[in-house]
Amino acid sequence: ETGVTQSPTHLIKTRGQQVTLRCSSQSGHNTVSWYQQALGQGPQFIFQYYREEENGRGNFPPRFSGLQFPNYSSELNVNALELDDSALYLCASSLAGGYTDTQYFGPGTRLTVL
Amino acid sequence: QQQVKQSPQSLIVQKGGISIINCAYENTAFDYFPWYQQFPGKGPALLIAIRPDVSEKKEGRFTISFNKSAKQFSLHIMDSQPGDSATYFCAASFRGQNFVFGPGTRLSVLP
Repeated sequence: ETGVTQSPTHLIKTRGQQVTLRCSSQSGHNTVSWYQQALGQGPQFIFQYYREEENGRGNFPPRFSGLQFPNYSSELNVNALELDDSALYLCASSLAGGYTDTQYFGPGTRLTVL
Repeated sequence: QQQVKQSPQSLIVQKGGISIINCAYENTAFDYFPWYQQFPGKGPALLIAIRPDVSEKKEGRFTISFNKSAKQFSLHIMDSQPGDSATYFCAASFRGQNFVFGPGTRLSVLP
């Protein structure tokens, strides 16, 4: 069984740029959720994708967008980067419709915006 | 109404002691309450989870106590070990969507 993987591990961008983060879900999982975790805080829900459709969204502006592909991998895109976007971005996969709602997290991508 | 409160912010426990972390929620629609453990530079890892139809769940040294009427739940770590030193997050969700996390508790277990 393959766990959740994310790429890249670290990324440095400048304000105003755009960034794409990638996530491969755990084998057999059909749902991917993205979170932003600022330093010293809990993860904040950005959005969730199920069968290539957005299936819920947190309090994040439209410049945060995503995609889910037929193999259930996913991308998070952030446009017009701001300094406050510096954070650890976490991807979590789960199996919708299963008995548990367990989400399994990847190691995250550390984004620094200068 | 979506907030999950967590306390204490930090906790220091001697090896072999009991670590207790508390969380409170407001949204009675939440139906799944997991606890996650996170080490520096790593993603959160699921420790144990509970649904509101059960008042207690135990897995090894980890126990969740759940009080539905008070809208509170807690994590107890028995026989705490230095390897348990990490940040712990409680969370809540409804139908597996829109997980809401607490702010975290930094646990230090002294040898």
